[in-house]
Amino acid sequence: DVKVTQSSRYLVKRTGEKVFLECVQDMDHENMFWYRQDPGLGLRLIYFSYDVKMKEKGDIPEGYSVSREKKERFSLILESASTNQTSMYLCASSLTGVSTEAFFGQGTRLTVV
Amino acid sequence: QKEVEQDPGPLSVPEGAIVSLNCTYSNSAFQYFMWYRQYSRKGPELLMYTYSSGNKEDGRFTAQVDKSSKYISLFIRDSQPSDSATYLCAMSAGNQGGKLIFGQGTELSVKP
Repeated sequence: DVKVTQSSRYLVKRTGEKVFLECVQDMDHENMFWYRQDPGLGLRLIYFSYDVKMKEKGDIPEGYSVSREKKERFSLILESASTNQTSMYLCASSLTGVSTEAFFGQGTRLTVV
Repeated sequence: QKEVEQDPGPLSVPEGAIVSLNCTYSNSAFQYFMWYRQYSRKGPELLMYTYSSGNKEDGRFTAQVDKSSKYISLFIRDSQPSDSATYLCAMSAGNQGGKLIFGQGTELSVKP
């Protein structure tokens, strides 16, 4: 059974804190993605990675960075959390190739106070 | 203008109704079209996948793509309360290894 696991379901952090969101997949997928989901805006791509140590900016990378040191793990970093980063964060992975299915984790609900 | 537009609803229908969900898009390079279903407090799951124009049917679900109009649809026949979820359309040009652009999602409620 394919699995994408995000380290936390719920997080509460203070403004200015450095926040790490972790994602692990067990499907040996090359591609991994971080999205945020907000009411009325749908899923917006923050960063994605085609391979270990490679990263590409998505549509809304400002205020975020990522790390991919191992194929199965993709971390999202909020360098200095702000209240406008309160959101649902979703990690996904997929195989290389034209538009194969993306598998999602269960999401992390982050609240910045 | 967003690349993909989807009516966010919410949409409420009685059990047994036919549901029509739609998305429009502006990028003519999109060739791969998907519908994801997301239950409350869960991640999205792939429901239907279509390449280029045409129809695809899977049980009570039918996906349609009209590339000339840049318009895609998902039809649900004989809707059930278990279909209550948020439905997200997603698209890809197929040249960036799975990078998907999503619509806003439509929240559907099927009442018994």
